[in-house]
Amino acid sequence: EPEVTQTPSHQVTQMGQEVILRCVPISNHLYFYWYRQILGQKVEFLVSFYNNEISEKSEIFDDQFSVERPDGSNFTLKIRSTKLEDSAMYFCASSRGGLAGVPLQETQYFGPGTRLLVL
Amino acid sequence: EDKVVQSPLSLVVHEGDTVTLNCSYEVTNFRSLLWYKQEKKAPTFLFMLTSSGIEKKSGRLSSILDKKELFSILNITATQTGDSAVYLCAIPRNNDMRFGAGTRLTVKP
Repeated sequence: EPEVTQTPSHQVTQMGQEVILRCVPISNHLYFYWYRQILGQKVEFLVSFYNNEISEKSEIFDDQFSVERPDGSNFTLKIRSTKLEDSAMYFCASSRGGLAGVPLQETQYFGPGTRLLVL
Repeated sequence: EDKVVQSPLSLVVHEGDTVTLNCSYEVTNFRSLLWYKQEKKAPTFLFMLTSSGIEKKSGRLSSILDKKELFSILNITATQTGDSAVYLCAIPRNNDMRFGAGTRLTVKP
């Protein structure tokens, strides 16, 4: 069964360093998402991506964050200069989407997550 | 502002018990509600509900949506220790998904 994969599973970094979290969405999916979950807190939306551009982003997704689809399979989240409060589990998700670019509110399938710890 | 509220936040039961988890929502342009199970890591999909009053069932789990009263329930019968997890209710919006805080279910042997 196709699944979303993420690498690495864990990453520890120093404050101020750049990190890139990688995701391979399900191959025929068109919509991609990043979420984060700070330990003990709820899952929070960061950004959605369709047709090589950001569709929506939350207030958490500030200038320190960027997303990219560098090739036909990977979807990355970059944090330019990490802060202590960026420590969280980061989930990538993908969904099939609707026709002609109309977002379809459909099931999003989640990857296993990357646990990021900023020291 | 859109809201997704789950209750209870935490529940401890014994194996064999039946549990009911609640999710109420206030969301503009509602179209569907999703239930996810989150164990150690990623949320895994359980159900998508779009129509009122139609029960979705998968084994010991079932769920139903009430679009008039704006809530959904997730039932688990004959609970097992493997059902211990956080159960998340989520509402997809146009380009994102709003999650509830989750219900942490602990099933004791």
